[in-house]
Amino acid sequence: DGGITQSPKYLFRKEGQNVTLSCEQNLNHDAMYWYRQDPGQGLRLIYYSQIVNDFQKGDIAEGYSVSREKKESFPLTVTSAQKNPTAFYLCASNLRGGTYEKLFFGSGTQLSVL
Amino acid sequence: AQSVSQHNHHVILSEAASLELGCNYSYGGTVNLFWYVQYPGQHLQLLLKYFSGDPLVKGIKGFEAEFIKSKFSFNLRKPSVQWSDTAEYFCAVKKAAGNKLTFGGGTRVLVKP
Repeated sequence: DGGITQSPKYLFRKEGQNVTLSCEQNLNHDAMYWYRQDPGQGLRLIYYSQIVNDFQKGDIAEGYSVSREKKESFPLTVTSAQKNPTAFYLCASNLRGGTYEKLFFGSGTQLSVL
Repeated sequence: AQSVSQHNHHVILSEAASLELGCNYSYGGTVNLFWYVQYPGQHLQLLLKYFSGDPLVKGIKGFEAEFIKSKFSFNLRKPSVQWSDTAEYFCAVKKAAGNKLTFGGGTRVLVKP
């Protein structure tokens, strides 16, 4: 089945630790996105990549980093600089960058701080 | 900065009742508009979208939305809801020439059988 796979489903971060969330897609989509979801605040864009080896900051990029070395993979690292990392993280993809014709979402990763 | 407002955070209604969820955005230029839905235990998925043309858009599962440019609104409607419409609904807006999709805060809808 084609789709987006996020792992792990649950992740715990210790103080001062960097953690990496995985996002893989087999839809052959050019564009990939990371959103953070907090209750009542909807989804906020962290980073996006419209093509391999290129990515841009979204609205809340501070404390996060990404890479896009392969078309199918867009991992998100939550660094120790992110002071409030507890949230639900969603990865999404779109056939072509910039159009947002139809985003496909993964099942999400819940990150909590120990 | 562009913003999207969904004024109702929670809606509870009975089966066969009509549903209308409000969505307003702040950007004055040409926009693309979307409604996404997340059913319990499922991924977020596209319900309907508006890019241009007829401002009354029909989506899946009997939903429709009307774009009223003068009111900066894109309200979602369904004439008669079912228990299976229980979900969280998100409005989203993109500047037509931009690269970012901005989501509203979401509305949780509970349909009582």
